[in-house]
Amino acid sequence: EVQLVESGGGLVQPGRSLRLSCTTSGFIFGDYAMTWVRQAPGKGLEWVGFIRNKLYGGATQYVASVKGRFTISRDDSKSVAYLQMNSLKAEDTAVYYCSRSLASDCWGQGTLVTVSS
Amino acid sequence: DIQMTQSPSAMSAFVGDRVTITCRASQGISNSLVWFQQKPGKVPQRLIYAASNLQSGVPSRFSASGSGTEFTLTISSLQPEDSATYYCLQHDSYPYAFGQGTKLEIK
Repeated sequence: EVQLVESGGGLVQPGRSLRLSCTTSGFIFGDYAMTWVRQAPGKGLEWVGFIRNKLYGGATQYVASVKGRFTISRDDSKSVAYLQMNSLKAEDTAVYYCSRSLASDCWGQGTLVTVSS
Repeated sequence: DIQMTQSPSAMSAFVGDRVTITCRASQGISNSLVWFQQKPGKVPQRLIYAASNLQSGVPSRFSASGSGTEFTLTISSLQPEDSATYYCLQHDSYPYAFGQGTKLEIK
């Protein structure tokens, strides 16, 4: 069974950093790109970015609002994807989901990040 | 950047009705479009991939079509459990982008 479990969310002050993890099982992690999507409270889904697998050089892409502040990485030996979030702003408050592949066929349950002083 | 516009933003319909939701891309995206269903408090679930392919396990009353800039998601006979918000996602050009969502309620 494919499983994705996000962790690392919580309350953080503006300007600080947080790293989210997406721990996976049930599939060959190294074969897939991994995507991050977020959803602010009461709002729609927002695509954050992805990391391709090693076959595609582990290339990354991001939405403009997080470019330069967020970094997606992966550890294929642990089947984990990461979202490093720096210089956090109040508008980054959201549930953050990881999903498998560029077309997001399977999703984790999400982890809430609250940016507030 | 490609903008995805869904219509309507919200709608209500009766059980048994045929429902259609439209997603328009600001420029052509071939068939690189996915549809998701999200029920309140739940994780989004993929319904359709590559514009018209039904995800395994999704009821056959769901169908979709389109290519280029205009796409539709159709529910042939609305059921109570279909009450949800539906999103399209383009994964043709960076940055990828979701539509704003269509909230579907049952009358």
